[in-house]
Formats: sequence, C-alpha cells, structure tokens
Amino acid sequence: DAGVTQSPTHLIKTRGQHVTLRCSPISGHKSVSWYQQVLGQGPQFIFQYYEKEERGRGNFPDRFSARQFPNYSSELNVNALLLGDSALYLCASSLEWGLYGYTFGSGTRLTVV
Amino acid sequence: EDQVTQSPEALRLQEGESSSLNCSYTVSGLRGLFWYRQDPGKGPEFLFTLYSAGEEKEKERLKATLTKKESFLHITAPKPEDSATYLCAVQPLISNTGFQKLVFGTGTRLLVSP
Repeated sequence: DAGVTQSPTHLIKTRGQHVTLRCSPISGHKSVSWYQQVLGQGPQFIFQYYEKEERGRGNFPDRFSARQFPNYSSELNVNALLLGDSALYLCASSLEWGLYGYTFGSGTRLTVV
Repeated sequence: EDQVTQSPEALRLQEGESSSLNCSYTVSGLRGLFWYRQDPGKGPEFLFTLYSAGEEKEKERLKATLTKKESFLHITAPKPEDSATYLCAVQPLISNTGFQKLVFGTGTRLLVSP
C-alpha cells in the first residue's frame, strides 16, 4: 500500500509569491491534517480536514488556506509568502478523524528567498 | 494551553549505553500520547501510542511508558541506526466531533556512536 504522498518534495519561492502544496492520503483514510515544522522545532498544527470539511485550524494567519477534495486528497495554499514561511510542511492522514493515529508523509521543503 | 516539553534537547550515547528520554506534558484532558521518530529531512515515523497512565509498549530496543504528567522512552542497548530525533506529541481531548490535532514537543536529538 502506498503511504502518504506529498508533492513537490522541494520548492523555492520568492517573497510575496503564492504556493500550493499537495497531499494524497493513504487509501481509505478520510482525514488529512497539515503541520508546519520549522528547522529545530516540533511540527505545529495548521489545519485538519475530515470528510471534505475544515474541522480545526491552528494559530496561523489567513494567508494559509486549505481544502480537501472528493477523493480525500488535499491542498495547502499559502499567499504572500514571507521568509518566515520557510519550513518543512507535513501532511498526515488518519482513518476517521484521528482516533486511531496518524501517518505522516515525507513533507515538502519550502524555501522562501 | 496544551504544552509538551522534551528533555534533553540532545543526547549522545555510545553503542550499547542505555538511556531514557523524557516528555512532560500539560493538557486539559488526554486522549493519547504519541512517540515518533524523525530522520533528517523526512516525516515523523510512528512508534507508539499510549492512552492511560501505567500503560507500557515495547518495540525492539524501545519501550515507552506513561504517567499522568510525563512519558519516558527507554532505549536499551542502542545501535547507531537508532540515531534520529524522537518527537513526543499529545492528542488533547476535544469535544468537537471530527476534530483532532497533535501538540508536539521540540524533540530529542539522539546520536549513537559505534
């Protein structure tokens, strides 16, 4: 079985630009969560989607948005990029809404210059 | 506010030298506590979930335990391939059906030398 798939693996963007990150969950998993991991820190919760609806949002500005598609894949969008947005963005999928644990993808490394 | 503190920040061991990593947490209600292993540039890899005080789980050289305030990850006779960052996370009890999240600590960087 394929695990959680994220694309692209690496990305370099300029300040002020927009970025879209993509995630395909494990087959059968209905929930996708997004986390931001700055170098040397633990992952921080951004969003959780379950059954295509936003169920929770972390302490991130409105420049961050996401959606989940009918096939349960998800996109994370970040507008007006800042240098501080440089991080590893992790997607986690879970059966139901996380009651049975989470499987993380390998992440997208975003560098803002 | 839910909070997770891990110690030490970094740990250097000789191969075969056993030790423990600590995870202290403050949470209004605990649904579960998770341990993950993370290699550089990769996503966290699931190790254990603990749900109630007194629970213990083992996998190869690793053993995780849970009390009401903290969790320990014991590493017995480590090998160089155990070198990684070990992350602890709590899953708070949230009343909204369909919403769950993890609150992570900053991790312990473990280096095991041959």
